[in-house]
Amino acid sequence: KAGVTQTPRYLIKTRGQQVTLSCSPISGHRSVSWYQQTPGQGLQFLFEYFSETQRNKGNFPGRFSGRQFSNSRSEMNVSTLELGDSALYLCASSLVVGNTGELFFGEGSRLTVL
Amino acid sequence: GESVGLHLPTLSVQEGDNSIINCAYSNSASDYFIWYKQESGKGPQFIIDIRSNMDKRQGQRVTVLLNKTVKHLSLQIAATQPGDSAVYFCAENWGGGSNYKLTFGKGTLLTVNP
Repeated sequence: KAGVTQTPRYLIKTRGQQVTLSCSPISGHRSVSWYQQTPGQGLQFLFEYFSETQRNKGNFPGRFSGRQFSNSRSEMNVSTLELGDSALYLCASSLVVGNTGELFFGEGSRLTVL
Repeated sequence: GESVGLHLPTLSVQEGDNSIINCAYSNSASDYFIWYKQESGKGPQFIIDIRSNMDKRQGQRVTVLLNKTVKHLSLQIAATQPGDSAVYFCAENWGGGSNYKLTFGKGTLLTVNP
């Protein structure tokens, strides 16, 4: 069974640009969550999607958005990039919504903003 | 040990010894706790979880202990191996449905010396 796949693995952007990251969950998993990981703040929850609907969101500005498609694949977008957005963005999938079960993480997309 | 919100502590052990990684969580209403392991360049990997109605849970070579009185969680790894070298995160969750809040600690770096 394939794991969670995130693309691209690495990318470099400049301030003011936007970026779209993609996540393919484990087959059969309908919940996809996104996290930002930085050395200073650790792992922080961005949002969770289930059945194409955002079910929960963290405390991030509106520049961070996401969506989920009918095949459960998800994308997140960050607009008007800032230097502080440099981070590892992790996607996690699970069978159920609401983190009542095990999260399966991808290897992440490392974003560098110059 | 680790406390959600503090800098990354480190733990160095000899191969074959037992390791204990500590975590102080913040919310007395948290009802679900998870330990994750993150190896360099990879996403976090689920190790073991425990619900607040339990005080101990065992897995393969790992045991999680929960002390709700002092809001303390620990992960014990028996016969630590070089492959156990990684950053270990505890996470606490409270709420349910679409209103859950999952908070990760900053992590503890475990180094196993051969």
